Amino acid sequence: DADVTQTPRNRITKTGKRIMLECSQTKGHDRMYWYRQDPGLGLRLIYYSFDVKDINKGEISDGYSVSRQAQAKFSLSLESAIPNQTALYFCATSDATVLRGYTFGSGTRLTVV
Amino acid sequence: KNEVEQSPQNLTAQEGEFITINCSYSVGISALHWLQQHPGGGIVSLFMLSSGKKKHGRLIATINIQEKHSSLHITASHPRDSAVYICAVSGGDDKIIFGKGTRLHILP
Repeated sequence: DADVTQTPRNRITKTGKRIMLECSQTKGHDRMYWYRQDPGLGLRLIYYSFDVKDINKGEISDGYSVSRQAQAKFSLSLESAIPNQTALYFCATSDATVLRGYTFGSGTRLTVV
Repeated sequence: KNEVEQSPQNLTAQEGEFITINCSYSVGISALHWLQQHPGGGIVSLFMLSSGKKKHGRLIATINIQEKHSSLHITASHPRDSAVYICAVSGGDDKIIFGKGTRLHILP
C-alpha cells in the first residue's frame, strides 16, 4: 500500500460544484501539505498543516479550504469549483522537519468544466 | 525573478549519454531536494542534500552552497529515465520552493 494515498485519482466536475479531495498517510508524519501543479509552473502550496488543529494558508489558498481530521488525514475542498482550478493536485507529508524529505501522493487530476 | 531556476527546461538525449540538469537558487537554504515526476504524474524524492555530493545508482547530485548552485547528473542514461526532474529548496522556516522542472526525454 502507498504511504500517501490520494482519492480520487481523477475527477471531472462542473463549475459551481463542491468537491473534496482526500489524502491519508501511513508515514506517521506530523506535517501535511496540499499543492497544485499547472503546466509550465512549479508546484504551488495551497494549504499546510503541522499538526492536527493547525491549519495554515499557502500562496494560493483563495477558493480552497482544508480539514485536518486526524494526524493521518488531510482533505482539500473546493467550495464552488471554477475552470481555472483545473490542475493536478498533490498531497505531501513530511516529518517534524522537511530536512528528512517529503513523501508525495500519486496526485489527483481535477478537471472543472 | 524566480527564486529557484532550472536549466534546461527541456532536454532530449540519446540513450547512454551523460545528462546534467542545473539548479540555481537565490535564497538562503537549509537543504536542496531533487524530485522525479514520471509521465503518470507521481512524484518521487531522489535526493536531499545540504552540502557536497550524493550518489544513488546512476544518479549523482552535487551542491555548491557558496555559488547557490546544484547539479543532477545521470550516467549511462536510459529511456526509463525520461521524466520531469524538479529542484526544490527548503529554508529556515521549513517551507519548500519548487523550480518549474526540467523535462528529460531519452531516446532509445
